Amino acid sequence: GESVGLHLPTLSVQEGDNSIINCAYSNSASDYFIWYKQESGKGPQFIIDIRSNMDKRQGQRVTVLLNKTVKHLSLQIAATQPGDSAVYFCAEKGGGGSNYKLTFGKGTLLTVNP
Amino acid sequence: SQTIHQWPATLVQPVGSPLSLECTVEGTSNPNLYWYRQAAGRGLQLLFYSVGIGQISSEVPQNLSASRPQDRQFILSSKKLLLSDSGFYLCAWSVQSGGVSPLHFGNGTRLTVT
Repeated sequence: GESVGLHLPTLSVQEGDNSIINCAYSNSASDYFIWYKQESGKGPQFIIDIRSNMDKRQGQRVTVLLNKTVKHLSLQIAATQPGDSAVYFCAEKGGGGSNYKLTFGKGTLLTVNP
Repeated sequence: SQTIHQWPATLVQPVGSPLSLECTVEGTSNPNLYWYRQAAGRGLQLLFYSVGIGQISSEVPQNLSASRPQDRQFILSSKKLLLSDSGFYLCAWSVQSGGVSPLHFGNGTRLTVT
């Protein structure tokens, strides 16, 4: 079946550095992608999303890049802070239909060292 | 602004006992509502979703059921809990529209069945 996965299960960075979290997807028909941040004991928090008709989208300190050719999604966090430490998930929606059928990756644990 | 509330935050129940987890959304009307389960080290698994009052779709066969008695209320239930029902349960909502929109999650309920 289709799946969304992550290249790196853990990532450790120094405070102030930029972080890049990667995600591979296998459904070439997927047309919508979301990044979530999940802190310990809490629910996932929406960070940023991107539709398949775009290849880049920027938010506050975050940028999502979409490469449909190789079915790869990445989240870049600029000037990473200790408060960014969390598990980051990507999610995809298959093409067509409503957005209830999201497929989630397992997550990457980001640790920011002061 | 929209908010989502889940309770209780933690719950310990004996095998065979009933379960009722409640979720309410404020600040929006006619949302899509979802119940997910998150197992340690795994992605989010969709259990139920609802597009309207009394309309429930189940994604996986299981020992659980869901109900939507009011527009912004979603309840997850079981008549008799199993050990395998232990997990982190998340309620989420999204805008019901013709396009796509992200899911917004509550802070979850940690259920331990003993």
